[in-house]
Amino acid sequence: GAVVSQHPSWVICKSGTSVKIECRSLDFQATTMFWYRQFPKQSLMLMATSNEGSKATYEQGVEKDKFLINHASLTLSTLTVTSAHPEDSSFYICSAQPGTRRQRGETQYFGPGTRLLVL
Amino acid sequence: KQEVTQIPAALSVPEGENLVLNCSFTDSAIYNLQWFRQDPGKGLTSLLLIQSSQREQTSGRLNASLDKSSGRSTLYIAASQPGDSATYLCAVVNNAGNMLTFGGGTRLMVKP
Repeated sequence: GAVVSQHPSWVICKSGTSVKIECRSLDFQATTMFWYRQFPKQSLMLMATSNEGSKATYEQGVEKDKFLINHASLTLSTLTVTSAHPEDSSFYICSAQPGTRRQRGETQYFGPGTRLLVL
Repeated sequence: KQEVTQIPAALSVPEGENLVLNCSFTDSAIYNLQWFRQDPGKGLTSLLLIQSSQREQTSGRLNASLDKSSGRSTLYIAASQPGDSATYLCAVVNNAGNMLTFGGGTRLMVKP
């Protein structure tokens, strides 16, 4: 149980296009999902907290108009990288926190990640 | 602002050795601490979660300890195997919120 999927796992796109990444909790509901970014040989940096039915909370320095987050249901959050540029190339990982209420400190389950390469 | 540091950044050991990975955090007001494993190009797998009231957790060959007052945690791996080769990340959840703050990770290579 507690499986999180991401789609696509790989994406290569031209500069200027928009890319949508999906994060799904397959066997549980999640009011809260998180989006992380990871550069090669570096740790995960939290980009934003995705809240079902409300606006996402972005970390300092993350452009909300650049990285659009939609958490339309209790099992799906999407991250859209708008007008992608080569510097957006990275590994994007989502996680989901089980529960229908925002519970602090509960285990987060991570997706397998999406590798984005912008040419 | 919470900062998490992991030492060493990289470690290479022969198979069979017992080893210790270190994690330190600057703000001791944590809710819990978690150790993860990440294989190259993959997501994270949770290994152990220690609540702030606990001192240690064990799972198989893995043992994680927590000293909240000094801001430290260690992950002990017994009888290391080549399959243990991966990056190990520690992360904390502060009392003030529910987001994970990650350390930089330790890249472990266990040679046969």
